Amino acid sequence: AQSVTQLGSHVSVSEGALVLLRCNYSSSVPPYLFWYVQYPNQGLQLLLKYTSAATLVKGINGFEAEFKKSETSFHLTKPSAHMSDAAEYFCAVSVNAGGTSYGKLTFGQGTILTVHP
Amino acid sequence: ETGVTQTPRHLVMGMTNKKSLKCEQHLGHNAMYWYKQSAKKPLELMFVYSLEERVENNSVPSRFSPECPNSSHLFLHLHTLQPEDSALYLCASSLGTSGNNEQFFGPGTRLTVL
Repeated sequence: AQSVTQLGSHVSVSEGALVLLRCNYSSSVPPYLFWYVQYPNQGLQLLLKYTSAATLVKGINGFEAEFKKSETSFHLTKPSAHMSDAAEYFCAVSVNAGGTSYGKLTFGQGTILTVHP
Repeated sequence: ETGVTQTPRHLVMGMTNKKSLKCEQHLGHNAMYWYKQSAKKPLELMFVYSLEERVENNSVPSRFSPECPNSSHLFLHLHTLQPEDSALYLCASSLGTSGNNEQFFGPGTRLTVL
């Protein structure tokens, strides 16, 4: 079975600073990896996804993530934080295996990002 | 309406009530999902429907009963709930069910069980 670990339940940065949200995954087969963002009182919105093409994936709102197989990581970064980036971020992994007829999406615990002026 | 919509957005019910949550997707997708999001816990997959057929029931108690009358609509019927069932219930849809299909989420229904 696959799993995801997000290091740090809370991350705080200053506006304009680098954002780094960490995600490590575990999977016995090649994974598909996703980052979602959730703003207060809203559902989850896809930021970006890795589906075995380029290892550096660019998403919306200036975010990007790099798939590193050797480190089993898929960390999310943004060069310069904006106040509007304050939200909760979820890393998720999915595979096409495990005896199911569908790709089950497994989520991490989430990381709350706070951006200070 | 666009995307995935859910009604109601907020629901308060007693343990003896019966209520239903509704989800509708306007994306032409073939798969729909129910998730439970509780504080301090990862999102929990509850049910998966593909082309109106249930393909996953993730050990969910029978007091939660899903219904998928067509590929655009998904319901979650609730009865005899417990206070620990209070959570945000999220509906999602995807084009297909293979692992590389991204899921699109609705805004959720915030459920409080008294």
